[in-house]
Amino acid sequence: DQQVKQNSPSLSVQEGRISILNCDYTNSMFDYFLWYKKYPAEGPTFLISISSIKDKNEDGRFTVFLNKSAKHLSLHIVPSQPGDSAVYFCAAIRGSTLGRLYFGRGTQLTVWP
Amino acid sequence: KAGVTQTPRYLIKTRGQQVTLSCSPISGHRSVSWYQQTPGQGLQFLFEYFSETQRNKGNFPGRFSGRQFSNSRSEMNVSTLELGDSALYLCASFQGTHSYEQYFGPGTRLTVT
Repeated sequence: DQQVKQNSPSLSVQEGRISILNCDYTNSMFDYFLWYKKYPAEGPTFLISISSIKDKNEDGRFTVFLNKSAKHLSLHIVPSQPGDSAVYFCAAIRGSTLGRLYFGRGTQLTVWP
Repeated sequence: KAGVTQTPRYLIKTRGQQVTLSCSPISGHRSVSWYQQTPGQGLQFLFEYFSETQRNKGNFPGRFSGRQFSNSRSEMNVSTLELGDSALYLCASFQGTHSYEQYFGPGTRLTVT
């Protein structure tokens, strides 16, 4: 049962524009959400996170928005750069099982010049 | 600070054999989690070790096992390998109690023939 879902397998954006990656979840017990970026043949790299008690967290070009009532979060990248091209994974954690990340299937972002 | 390291990076084994993968966490991190990534199933949680004890376990058969040593280094073992065990095996470390962000190693690519 996929508790974290990324319904768009791919997204293509022009350099300089905004990239918006979406993620939905079903388990209301999730306490924390994270975004990771992954290049082929490498491990995921942590990007940004947000606690379930917040609705926004910003770090440089990356902003994550959380809508708890809709069980939805999104990652905004502004401006998008070609080096951002990678697979982006949304992940969630329950406080009762700290060491276990629940991952979405990922979205392949392509940023073209 | 050095990142998470995994050895070996690539491995080819035959059905029926067993394999041991190693993970060294970031210094000061007490928790190590293991994940399997396959094209069909995405990133799946195997288990997590914290202070030498298995704290969380995913839905994998008993052929998959792990352990953690007093220096927080961890190993995972897969016995009686099957073709379907071919995957990228990732380990991640985090502090263990006060933060949620997990940091991943580069992974071990296991191919079972």
